[in-house]
Amino acid sequence: DAGITQSPRHKVTETGTPVTLRCHQTENHRYMYWYRQDPGHGLRLIHYSYGVKDTDKGEVSDGYSVSRSKTEDFLLTLESATSSQTSVYFCATAGKSRASSYEQYFGPGTRLTVT
Amino acid sequence: GQNIDQPTEMTATEGAIVQINCTYQTSGFNGLFWYQQHAGEAPTFLSYNVLDGLEEKGRFSSFLSRSKGYSYLLLKELQMKDSASYLCASRFDSNYQLIWGAGTKLIIKP
Repeated sequence: DAGITQSPRHKVTETGTPVTLRCHQTENHRYMYWYRQDPGHGLRLIHYSYGVKDTDKGEVSDGYSVSRSKTEDFLLTLESATSSQTSVYFCATAGKSRASSYEQYFGPGTRLTVT
Repeated sequence: GQNIDQPTEMTATEGAIVQINCTYQTSGFNGLFWYQQHAGEAPTFLSYNVLDGLEEKGRFSSFLSRSKGYSYLLLKELQMKDSASYLCASRFDSNYQLIWGAGTKLIIKP
């Protein structure tokens, strides 16, 4: 599996505060993704990156921003947290594989609670 | 949009065989993935199909029919540790995003 870490692993914050989640990978994968996972919805893409400084929006990007200043790190920022952003956040990476499948590998997740 | 449909929940008996189905829209299809996710953990990659047919990996096999927009994951000799959610995801066109199904929760009974 890809070496992917996320920090923090758990966070409780108050409505209106900014929050930054960090994803760090050691596999030199080109593609990185931020998802949120909520009961009944499966994984929903927030933002993704296809290279350093190259990012694009996913299906649920409102209220979130991202940055990727180096290959290893992909940051997700909630500018002003709301209770609807309480969720489990997963980072994933993908790189060229033997089968050219570009399967995604996931970090352990961050459980965020906004009170 | 490009919907991925799979059953919400299935129950099977330890030692038996179970088939989890997944359907997707065929337009622009470019690969089908299966992942396993235990409760409270991250998804882990199981299989990838892009051509028609069956891919076998030990107790797990995955099948694809591109013309029918259909895939299934077959789990044999079920063990209690196979209790998990199984996520189907598809890639469309040439981009590197995946569209995810909501997952099938598999409950294994002794």
